[in-house]
Parts: sequence; C-alpha cells; structure tokens
Amino acid sequence: DAEITQSPRHKITETGRQVTLACHQTWNHNNMFWYRQDLGHGLRLIHYSYGVHDTNKGEVSDGYSVSRSNTEDLPLTLESAASSQTSVYFCASSGGLAGPETQYFGPGTRLLVL
Amino acid sequence: QKEVEQDPGPLSVPEGAIVSLNCTYSNSAFQYFMWYRQYSRKGPELLMYTYSSGNKEDGRFTAQVDKSSKYISLFIRDSQPSDSATYLCAIRAGGYQKVTFGTGTKLQVIP
Repeated sequence: DAEITQSPRHKITETGRQVTLACHQTWNHNNMFWYRQDLGHGLRLIHYSYGVHDTNKGEVSDGYSVSRSNTEDLPLTLESAASSQTSVYFCASSGGLAGPETQYFGPGTRLLVL
Repeated sequence: QKEVEQDPGPLSVPEGAIVSLNCTYSNSAFQYFMWYRQYSRKGPELLMYTYSSGNKEDGRFTAQVDKSSKYISLFIRDSQPSDSATYLCAIRAGGYQKVTFGTGTKLQVIP
C-alpha cells in the first residue's frame, strides 16, 4: 500500500545545530508540504513543492529550507535550530486521482530544541 | 483577522449525541472545504470534502457549507467514543492555492 513516512519520529537537539527531517511518500504525488503544529496555532505551512526542483515558501518559512530532487522525498532542514522551532512537524502529499484537496499526512516528527 | 476561525473546545458529549463542529472564514474566494480528523499523536486524515454550498453526507457525518455566511459545519450523528479526536476544518481557493487549516476542535465522546 502507498504511504507517507517521516523520520525520525522524535528528535532532541541543541540550539544552533542543523537538523534535517525526512519525508518519503510512495503515492507518486507531485505535491508535497511541510507543516508545523503548535497549540493555539493549528497547522501552519512551512514550505511546499509542486514537483521536482520546485519549492515555495509558506507562511512560516524563516529558518527552514527544503529541496526536491525526486518525486518521493522532500527533506526539511532547520539551518540553525532555535527553541522557537520546538514543535510537531507533519509532512503531507497530494495529487493524482484524489485531487489536490486530499492531503495525505505522515505520522509526524516531534522536535525538541534545547 | 484569521482567515479561518474555529472554536478550540474542548467539547465533551455523551455517547449517542449529535455533535456540531463549526468554522467561519473571511475570504469569499475560498471554494473548497474540507474536514480532517486527527487522533492523538497521529497525522490528520481527510474526513469530508465539499466544493459547493449545501450538505454532503457520508454515513454518520454531514458536512454543511453556507457560502453566503462564510460558515462551514460538520455534524456527527450517533457519536461514538471512537469519534474522540481533534477535528480541523480546512479551506482552499481555486487553482494552486494553499490549504488553510483551522486550529482544530477537540472532541471527547464519553461512553
């Protein structure tokens, strides 16, 4: 069955370190998204991609970067981790027959920045 | 003003009750309306999706859209303990516009 996976599921890091969160989908979807979820803010879009080599900034992109070298993967990099980036991060993909509205979410990565 | 407003709850109801979850939005350009369900420590999953004003039914769930009032609702009939989750509304304008999520309403159905 097609799926979307994220790794690691939990991560503790220190302020100033570079961190990369992986996202891998086997839906063959063109569209991929990274969100962070915080209490009181809901899901906020960080970056998104509509295809290979395409990347776009979302509403909270400062301090984050992504690159899309193939259809399946969209890694999210925190350039220099800050305590404000402690959050739960979700990757999602959409496209194909299900249409752009049906976003399939990964299980999430819980990141703690000390 | 936020693009989408959603009462965070929590909402606690007895098993078998009818549940009403609501969102309001500010931009009349929004055309696509979704409801996602998120269980604790899991990713959201799409529950309902509708394009037009009116009602859409799927089993015990009914999604209602009132574009004139910019108001969307999700009704759950005969609520079950397994419905206990956070429900997020989501909306999108046409084309390649991004999806905007509400903050979510936490629902607890008590046996």
